[in-house]
Amino acid sequence: GENVEQHPSTLSVQEGDSAVIKCTYSDSASNYFPWYKQELGKRPQLIIDIRSNVGEKKDQRIAVTLNKTAKHFSLHITETQPEDSAVYFCASTLNSGYSTLTFGKGTMLLVSP
Amino acid sequence: GAVVSQHPSRVICKSGTSVKIECRSLDFQATTMFWYRQFPKQSLMLMATSNEGSKATYEQGVEKDKFLINHASLTLSTLTVTSAHPEDSSFYICSAREAGGGTMARGAFFGQGTRLTVV
Repeated sequence: GENVEQHPSTLSVQEGDSAVIKCTYSDSASNYFPWYKQELGKRPQLIIDIRSNVGEKKDQRIAVTLNKTAKHFSLHITETQPEDSAVYFCASTLNSGYSTLTFGKGTMLLVSP
Repeated sequence: GAVVSQHPSRVICKSGTSVKIECRSLDFQATTMFWYRQFPKQSLMLMATSNEGSKATYEQGVEKDKFLINHASLTLSTLTVTSAHPEDSSFYICSAREAGGGTMARGAFFGQGTRLTVV
């Protein structure tokens, strides 16, 4: 089955700095890669996603890159703010609505003022 | 984005009783829903995949008779924790992807989660 590795497990940055979280996956058939943000006690929220037919996608301060050959994808957050503090999960799956997601173990991001 | 509603958000029950958790997709049809369990400071652990109109598929190590799943319609799946014990205390969360095998399915969207405490 699919295996997703996520690093780092914790990440502390100063407000205004950039943060990068990296994930690798094992199944070359995976073609959809969403990222989730989970605040304490709340549900994971989909913040950005990328499909295998593109290499990069950006949404304001958040961007995701994908390297299919190397089977890794990364989340980039620029100009971090304290409200970005949360646990971030990467996931991989197939485009199909029937397919389950395989999650990474999560990265706890702490942005200090 | 698509909305998934889960109830109750918190429940406290006595050991030996059963608890039912509902997961509804409010503005889309979900042929498939997923049930996860999340321990503090850990990732989401998939328990089972709930398929509308058929039996759920359970992950290895998850007891089918302990965690009963029913997916009777395209918008509702339920998880019943039977004969609950303190070790079943956890955060249970459902998710759903929009129905169909199309290539543009996004996902998944999560319910609010249910904090179960068995005393």
